[in-house]
Amino acid sequence: QQQVKQSPQSLIVQKGGISIINCAYENTAFDYFPWYQQFPGKGPALLIAIRPDVSEKKEGRFTISFNKSAKQFSLHIMDSQPGDSATYFCAATLQTGANNLFFGTGTRLTVIP
Amino acid sequence: EAQVTQNPRYLITVTGKKLTVTCSQNMNHEYMSWYRQDPGLGLRQIYYSMNVEVTDKGDVPEGYKVSRKEKRNFPLILESPSPNQTSLYFCASSLWGSGGYTFGSGTRLTVV
Repeated sequence: QQQVKQSPQSLIVQKGGISIINCAYENTAFDYFPWYQQFPGKGPALLIAIRPDVSEKKEGRFTISFNKSAKQFSLHIMDSQPGDSATYFCAATLQTGANNLFFGTGTRLTVIP
Repeated sequence: EAQVTQNPRYLITVTGKKLTVTCSQNMNHEYMSWYRQDPGLGLRQIYYSMNVEVTDKGDVPEGYKVSRKEKRNFPLILESPSPNQTSLYFCASSLWGSGGYTFGSGTRLTVV
């Protein structure tokens, strides 16, 4: 059973455009929602994260929007750049529990120059 | 430099030949975990450890073993590898309760 569902599987965006990746979760006890960025040949790296007591978090061109009632959260990449081309994973965890991260299936983003 | 180190980076082996993938972290993290990454399936947890001598199964533990005798090391053991264990493997660690994992660079395993 997939605890975190992610869409789309792949995304192609023009340079300067907005990239949007969506995730939905099942377990209402989850209390931490990170996004990871993975470049080819590398391990995933923490990009940005949010807790459910806020509806939005912004770091530079990256923004997480969080909708607790809908059990959904999304990553927005503003002014997308070719260097943003990577695979993005959303995840969820219960920090007070076993600390296990449940990952979405990933979105391969390609930003065309 | 704070990091998680996995070895080897690439490994080709034959069915049934026991192998070990090593993982070491230098951040004094309590929590360590192994994931496998397969196309379309994302990252699936194999085993995790909350501290020395404390390990537990993740979502896909069949065919794997782990041990945590020291805080810094968390090796992944395949006693009798099979072709369906061909995958990209990642080790990760974190401070307890942080939710923010540090991943190794991965081990690409091919079992023929």
